[in-house]
Amino acid sequence: DQQVKQNSPSLSVQEGRISILNCDYTNSMFDYFLWYKKYPAEGPTFLISISSIKDKNEDGRFTVFLNKSAKHLSLHIVPSQPGDSAVYFCAATTRFISSGSARQLTFGSGTQLTVLP
Amino acid sequence: DGGITQSPKYLFRKEGQNVTLSCEQNLNHDAMYWYRQDPGQGLRLIYYSQIVNDFQKGDIAEGYSVSREKKESFPLTVTSAQKNPTAFYLCASIGSGYTFGSGTRLTVV
Repeated sequence: DQQVKQNSPSLSVQEGRISILNCDYTNSMFDYFLWYKKYPAEGPTFLISISSIKDKNEDGRFTVFLNKSAKHLSLHIVPSQPGDSAVYFCAATTRFISSGSARQLTFGSGTQLTVLP
Repeated sequence: DGGITQSPKYLFRKEGQNVTLSCEQNLNHDAMYWYRQDPGQGLRLIYYSQIVNDFQKGDIAEGYSVSREKKESFPLTVTSAQKNPTAFYLCASIGSGYTFGSGTRLTVV
């Protein structure tokens, strides 16, 4: 059972336009969400995160929106640049439960973003 | 510079052999994790360790083993019991956030 789902395996966007990557989750215990960017043969690099007490977090060209009632989050990249072409992973965790698996990240399957020049 | 070092970057294994992937961090992080990435799938947790001399199985631990004798080191052994070991393996540690290594691509030949 996938607790974090990224239903679009790929997305193509023209340079300068907005990229919107979507993520859905099923576990209501998740209270912290992260987006990672990954190039081939490299480790993921952290992009942006959001706590469940917020509905929006912005960092430069990247904005993450959280809709808790819909268990949905999205990453907006604007304007998109060719260097943004990568696989983007959504991840979720529970930060404040003192169990052995606390802070374990559950990842979605990723979305390959291609920004066309 | 602080970070996580995974070695080797590429590794080839013959069927029936055990291989060990190295993960070293100098971030003074207590918790370390091993993930596996397959095409079209997210990162799946193999093993994790919250503290030295202690580790726990993740979602797909069968065919793998780990040790945590030092805080800085969390090696992963892929044993011959792992039926489909060809994958990209990522090590991570957690302090204020997650830090990932650059990964090891293991191929069975």
